[in-house]
Amino acid sequence: DTGVSQDPRHKITKRGQNVTFRCDPISEHNRLYWYRQTLGQGPEFLTYFQNEAQLEKSRLLSDRFSAERPKGSFSTLEIQRTEQGDSAMYLCASMPFGGVLIDEQFFGPGTRLTVL
Amino acid sequence: TQLLEQSPQFLSIQEGENLTVYCNSSSVFSSLQWYRQEPGEGPVLLVTVVTGGEVKKLKRLTFQFGDARKDSSLHITAAQPGDTGLYLCAGATSGYSTLTFGKGTMLLVSP
Repeated sequence: DTGVSQDPRHKITKRGQNVTFRCDPISEHNRLYWYRQTLGQGPEFLTYFQNEAQLEKSRLLSDRFSAERPKGSFSTLEIQRTEQGDSAMYLCASMPFGGVLIDEQFFGPGTRLTVL
Repeated sequence: TQLLEQSPQFLSIQEGENLTVYCNSSSVFSSLQWYRQEPGEGPVLLVTVVTGGEVKKLKRLTFQFGDARKDSSLHITAAQPGDTGLYLCAGATSGYSTLTFGKGTMLLVSP
């Protein structure tokens, strides 16, 4: 197992375009989280899934953002009509639910989004 | 709203020095994690503390959870350039809940 992977690592787009990011969690982890991190800040929670069910969404997740985890494995995060304020590092994390490693989330390398 | 405040925000020291960084909150956490993040990468989990008063050691790093489970500290002995990075604390208010992160302490260790 190689850990959490994210694709792409970097994305540059023009304002108004749509972008989609992918996250592949650690294979036996049924919880998957998305965070956003801006410069000088810690990661901020966006949403999370348990298997294919999206259980919680932050108020940060405007209606331009949508996340899916259709088969309970990989997840996608789409941002429609991007704005310059969307520029950030988007982090994915996974965690086994029901195990002994309570609250220990394992992060991917992130996708750095730059909106011009 | 649970807030985690980390101090100092930035620390620049010479190799071999000792340092302590702090993570404080007015909220009680069921567990608290410390992560280290390097530029352009995701956070890497260092340790989880669960019990009030708990002390965990990871080589030259010593982590302590406050008795009331509202605060934590990370002490590094004889810092090395490889310790350079952003140290983040994150708390969970109940098992399997979402994590609240502090803003982090940026540590720079010069040779």
